[in-house]
Amino acid sequence: NAGVMQNPRHLVRRRGQEARLRCSPMKGHSHVYWYRQLPEEGLKFMVYLQKENIIDESGMPKERFSAEFPKEGPSILRIQQVVRGDSAAYFCASSQGQRGNTIYFGEGSWLTVV
Amino acid sequence: SQQGEEDPQALSIQEGENATMNCSYKTSINNLQWYRQNSGRGLVHLILIRSNEREKHSGRLRVTLDTSKKSSSLLITASRAADTASYFCATVLNQAGTALIFGKGTTLSVSS
Repeated sequence: NAGVMQNPRHLVRRRGQEARLRCSPMKGHSHVYWYRQLPEEGLKFMVYLQKENIIDESGMPKERFSAEFPKEGPSILRIQQVVRGDSAAYFCASSQGQRGNTIYFGEGSWLTVV
Repeated sequence: SQQGEEDPQALSIQEGENATMNCSYKTSINNLQWYRQNSGRGLVHLILIRSNEREKHSGRLRVTLDTSKKSSSLLITASRAADTASYFCATVLNQAGTALIFGKGTTLSVSS
């Protein structure tokens, strides 16, 4: 019974490159959340998706960031033209439903922009 | 804006002592969840308490919720060095289609 799987665990990108982070939710979970954590800070909500739908993207930067959760396959967080300020840990979480359900987190993807 | 705020920001105790962390939030919630994060790792879910519950226990953990004061506390009894981690409270609002909103966390250090 695998948990939330994220890959890659560590990613190094040069400024201007693209970063793609993948998240496979727990089995049976149809709700996916992406969070960003800067050093010594809490988690900042980015986006909440259900299969093929973006429910809430109020935490996503307006430019360069996008997320999808297709009918088949993992959820993808895509960062185009990365800058040094994008260096952070990106966590994916999943739940069976919204609100009353426990939300489970993956181990995170650490992005370093050099 | 930050929904949950943990207090204190950092806490250092000796093994065997109890650790209490507090969390305050601003708006009406559906439930509140506590998580632990070891350095460089993901978040581990500890306990969920619903808005109609006042207290919950899980092993050495005790969580209380006071919706009138919009606050929650996490008590770890008989702490161990392995409890050293950051602890976060996170709230689920009563609005449909919303996600967990996290506080900045309390860093707990337990020395042996």
